Amino acid sequence: KNEVEQSPQNLTAQEGEFITINCSYSVGISALHWLQQHPGGGIVSLFMLSSGKKKHGRLIATINIQEKHSSLHITASHPRDSAVYICAAPRLPGNQFYFGTGTSLTVIP
Amino acid sequence: DTGVSQNPRHKITKRGQNVTFRCDPISEHNRLYWYRQTLGQGPEFLTYFQNEAQLEKSRLLSDRFSAERPKGSFSTLEIQRTEQGDSAMYLCASSFEGGTKNIQYFGAGTRLSVL
Repeated sequence: KNEVEQSPQNLTAQEGEFITINCSYSVGISALHWLQQHPGGGIVSLFMLSSGKKKHGRLIATINIQEKHSSLHITASHPRDSAVYICAAPRLPGNQFYFGTGTSLTVIP
Repeated sequence: DTGVSQNPRHKITKRGQNVTFRCDPISEHNRLYWYRQTLGQGPEFLTYFQNEAQLEKSRLLSDRFSAERPKGSFSTLEIQRTEQGDSAMYLCASSFEGGTKNIQYFGAGTRLSVL
């Protein structure tokens, strides 16, 4: 069993739809990261959260530390949101990441 | 551009050849990570450095792989006697340990194809 599990693996949505990607982890962590990877490989950090909820534009991330579960929501999805979204849990001592397998999102106009 | 830089972006090599990749982290970052990502999978941890010290190596890092960070700045990842199974995207990330956020900044990756 992977330390970090994501679902769904693939997601296709119509423009404007509300999207949810889920992440469950089995390791004890102090914070969870959501990353975005575009075709070509570049990865950018979207959120680092240790409790509650964070919002950035149309992106919202929530975490429940007790249940070891996090969700990434995209409101009013747009084709430019098409990317792979990866959740990642840092482990000690070096904060190196355990990664989920990623969710490939395609938003159709 | 002061982000993480990786070179080359693409490398095609024949099985059995040696390859070397370079990563230039953000200048004030003291931690540097190497990850590997195969098609359709999430990245996997290979190794990390704190300054020039290599503090952990994954069991994925066989004896054909070696990484260095000689002056605590740029890092190189060398693969000797490449195999087709080494074909992957090799990602480098850097962060500042001691800050409040421990955000890792990723390079664009080096895509290796072993023929």
